Amino acid sequence: GIQVEQSPPDLILQEGANSTLRCNFSDSVNNLQWFHQNPWGQLINLFYIPSGTKQNGRLSATTVATERYSLLYISSSQTTDSGVYFCAVESRPSGGYQKVTFGTGTKLQVIP
Amino acid sequence: GAGVSQSPRYKVTKRGQDVALRCDPISGHVSLYWYRQALGQGPEFLTYFNYEAQQDKSGLPNDRFSAERPEGSISTLTIQRTEQRDSAMYRCASSLEVGGKKLFFGSGTQLSVL
Repeated sequence: GIQVEQSPPDLILQEGANSTLRCNFSDSVNNLQWFHQNPWGQLINLFYIPSGTKQNGRLSATTVATERYSLLYISSSQTTDSGVYFCAVESRPSGGYQKVTFGTGTKLQVIP
Repeated sequence: GAGVSQSPRYKVTKRGQDVALRCDPISGHVSLYWYRQALGQGPEFLTYFNYEAQQDKSGLPNDRFSAERPEGSISTLTIQRTEQRDSAMYRCASSLEVGGKKLFFGSGTQLSVL
């Protein structure tokens, strides 16, 4: 099946710093999503981004599908950004059905 | 409903018992996914439905696990003869369109098998 790798696995930032999270995938995908899992375990959809660039406040994401990667940018980080960030890709394995596979995650801790 | 609702929020059971986990997706959402998430890991795909049809169950660990969505809305994930290794957070997600698109997750059911 498709492999989805994220880097770095762990990241500690001082409040106010910027960061870039990366998601690499091993095969063609139909779409890609970024999620934030907060310290209470809730999974929040940040971006649905099959290609191109999107921005939402301090967050932005870019997907280059032809090169099989996506980036999530966090600017002016805040303590509320802490948690785990997952990318998830929709692939079409043999049989023709879509399947959404999650990456390994990046655990972010923002310290005051 | 306003969001994806899962029940129960917590389930503690004894080894060997059967459990049924319920997912009520966002009203009108066509696709419904079940995932399992172990502590410190990403969600692991179990199965998914488009309407009432189960499209892919390749992620179900073994035949003790089954899922249904008989009317294309509420779904039930059933685990028979539970084992300690089944302990995990079970998450449900739904999307408006066929094929995943933007997924919305429920709060999950934390299953503990003693």
